[in-house]
Amino acid sequence: DTEVTQTPKHLVMGMTNKKSLKCEQHMGHRAMYWYKQKAKKPPELMFVYSYEKLSINESVPSRFSPECPNSSLLNLHLHALQPEDSALYLCASSQEVGQPDEQYFGPGTRLTVT
Amino acid sequence: DQQVKQNSPSLSVQEGRISILNCDYTNSMFDYFLWYKKYPAEGPTFLISISSIKDKNEDGRFTVFLNKSAKHLSLHIVPSQPGDSAVYFCAASGDNTGKLIFGQGTTLQVKP
Repeated sequence: DTEVTQTPKHLVMGMTNKKSLKCEQHMGHRAMYWYKQKAKKPPELMFVYSYEKLSINESVPSRFSPECPNSSLLNLHLHALQPEDSALYLCASSQEVGQPDEQYFGPGTRLTVT
Repeated sequence: DQQVKQNSPSLSVQEGRISILNCDYTNSMFDYFLWYKKYPAEGPTFLISISSIKDKNEDGRFTVFLNKSAKHLSLHIVPSQPGDSAVYFCAASGDNTGKLIFGQGTTLQVKP
C-alpha cells in the first residue's frame, strides 16, 4: 500500500477564515512533507517533518502552520490567507529523511482563497 | 536559479514509438534522481529513480539514463501508450534533508 490520503479534496475559504488540511499515511514512513503547486509550475517544498519534528521550513509565511500529531498524520493550519495562496497543496511521505528514497504524494487539496 | 531544468515544455509522440524526456541539473551534489508523472488535479505519481552510482535503471517500459559528467538524465518510455499522456517532472536530491528539487515539467502527448 503506497497511499497517501488528503482531505478535503477542494476547499474554498475567505481571507478571514481558519481552516485545516489533513494528510494521512499508513506506510510506516517517518518523513512527511507539505508542498505547494501553482498551475503549470513544479511542486515547491514548504515543510519537512522527520520523526514528527519539524526539520525544514522553507521560509513559509506564518499564516501557514504545520502540525504533526503522530507519525501517520500531518496537518496544515491556515489562517488569514491571501488570494495568491490559492494553489494545489500536496502532502508526501517517505521512509526517512537523510537517505535516498522516493516520496509518495497524495492527491492534493485544491485551495481557493476568495 | 533553476538547479533542475526540463527545457522541453512539451513533446508529442505517436503510439508505439519511443518517448524521450530530458532533464539537466547544475548542482554536482545531487546524488539521487526521480521521475514523476502527473495528471491534472492529481498528485504526482512516482515512476522510477536512479542513484548517482548507476547510469541506468529499468522498470518495464520505463528506463532512466544518467550521465553524471554531462549532468543530464533522460527517461525513455517504450512503447509509448496514450495513457502515458501526462506531465512528467524530474526531481533531484542530494543534501540528506529530504528536499526534492523539481524541474518545470514536460507535457507528453501520445497520439493513437
